[in-house]
Amino acid sequence: GENVEQHPSTLSVQEGDSAVIKCTYSDSASNYFPWYKQELGKGPQLIIDIRSNVGEKKDQRIAVTLNKTAKHFSLHITETQPEDSAVYFCAAGSSNTGKLIFGQGTTLQVKP
Amino acid sequence: SAVISQKPSRDICQRGTSLTIQCQVDSQVTMMFWYRQQPGQSLTLIATANQGSEATYESGFVIDKFPISRPNLTFSTLTVSNMSPEDSSIYLCSAAWGGNNEQFFGPGTRLTVL
Repeated sequence: GENVEQHPSTLSVQEGDSAVIKCTYSDSASNYFPWYKQELGKGPQLIIDIRSNVGEKKDQRIAVTLNKTAKHFSLHITETQPEDSAVYFCAAGSSNTGKLIFGQGTTLQVKP
Repeated sequence: SAVISQKPSRDICQRGTSLTIQCQVDSQVTMMFWYRQQPGQSLTLIATANQGSEATYESGFVIDKFPISRPNLTFSTLTVSNMSPEDSSIYLCSAAWGGNNEQFFGPGTRLTVL
């Protein structure tokens, strides 16, 4: 069935360093790839997304890249800050159904 | 994005009982979904809540266990029926607007079944 693999499961970086989280998906029909940040006790917050007709998208300190041929997409956070510490989820979906399949999550810790 | 609220925010229930979770969006949305997030785990889609018709369930989830209603474009409910401790989880609703697929989540309902 449809599957999204996310790595690493945990990531610890020093404040100011960059963090990269990678995902792969299995369903060739997927054309929408959002990233969510979930803080403790809260619902997931959409932070950035990318669609299949674009290879890269940037929003201030965060960027996403997509390689449709390899079915890979990645989240890049630069100049990390302690408030970036959270669990990050990637997801893959289809514009036809609107359904999202989520990766397993990455716990990011930014050490001050 | 819209404001999505859920009630209750948390509950502790006895085995064998049922709990209905409400999800309210402050604007009309095209699609609404229900997810389960077990402690420390990822999100699993339970079903798509269809306005005016039966929900579409994912593999492993059935209507008898998780009946869903969506009477209008801003409101949906999920009932967790005949609960067991294995149903202890966070239940999240989400909403999306047609066309751009962006999906926004409510704060979740933390359910503990004793």
